[in-house]
Amino acid sequence: GAVVSQHPSRVICKSGTSVKIECRSLDFQATTMFWYRQFPKQSLMLMATSNEGSKATYEQGVEKDKFLINHASLTLSTLTVTSAHPEDSSFYICSARDPARPGGETQYFGPGTRLLVL
Amino acid sequence: QQQVKQSPQSLIVQKGGISIINCAYENTAFDYFPWYQQFPGKGPALLIAIRPDVSEKKEGRFTISFNKSAKQFSLHIMDSQPGDSATYFCAASRDSGNTPLVFGKGTRLSVIA
Repeated sequence: GAVVSQHPSRVICKSGTSVKIECRSLDFQATTMFWYRQFPKQSLMLMATSNEGSKATYEQGVEKDKFLINHASLTLSTLTVTSAHPEDSSFYICSARDPARPGGETQYFGPGTRLLVL
Repeated sequence: QQQVKQSPQSLIVQKGGISIINCAYENTAFDYFPWYQQFPGKGPALLIAIRPDVSEKKEGRFTISFNKSAKQFSLHIMDSQPGDSATYFCAASRDSGNTPLVFGKGTRLSVIA
């Protein structure tokens, strides 16, 4: 299967600072990437859909000025949590699709990034 | 409004037994139904997926059964093993996966020896 990486895997930051999370598709080109947030023992909640070269589409209730998404290339999308607060502490996971691949509807998930805001 | 309802919330199965997880959906426009397995601290991994044009799909010990008229689909894990202990999520999407996945709430499976 396709490989999606995330960096960093874990980050601790102080309240008020910004944190950038990278999501890379390693062996395929991803025209669409998705960002999810997952709280302990809960399901994945879609935050936004990121399309290469265009603005991200945010889900209702997700602050676009707080969660900045940039999909500058076909293999990289970044999520920046600006002015982070303790309630932003969560597990952030990205996924990517490769429409050119057989079964192109498949979303491949990254390993996730654990964010802890103190 | 929860578009994909998953049950049970948790499940304990004896080693060698069959694990069964059920999901029901509301949106008849959904046409792609994957199941994901997630271990603690890891991202979800695709297990198996099905489209509505077939009623069953089997890959190794994992089988999806799909009932279009009832808008239900289920995951069967045959010969369950302790290594299968994880959280399982069903999901659905429209337009052949071009739209984001809608996830169920997850089922925490424990396979005991």
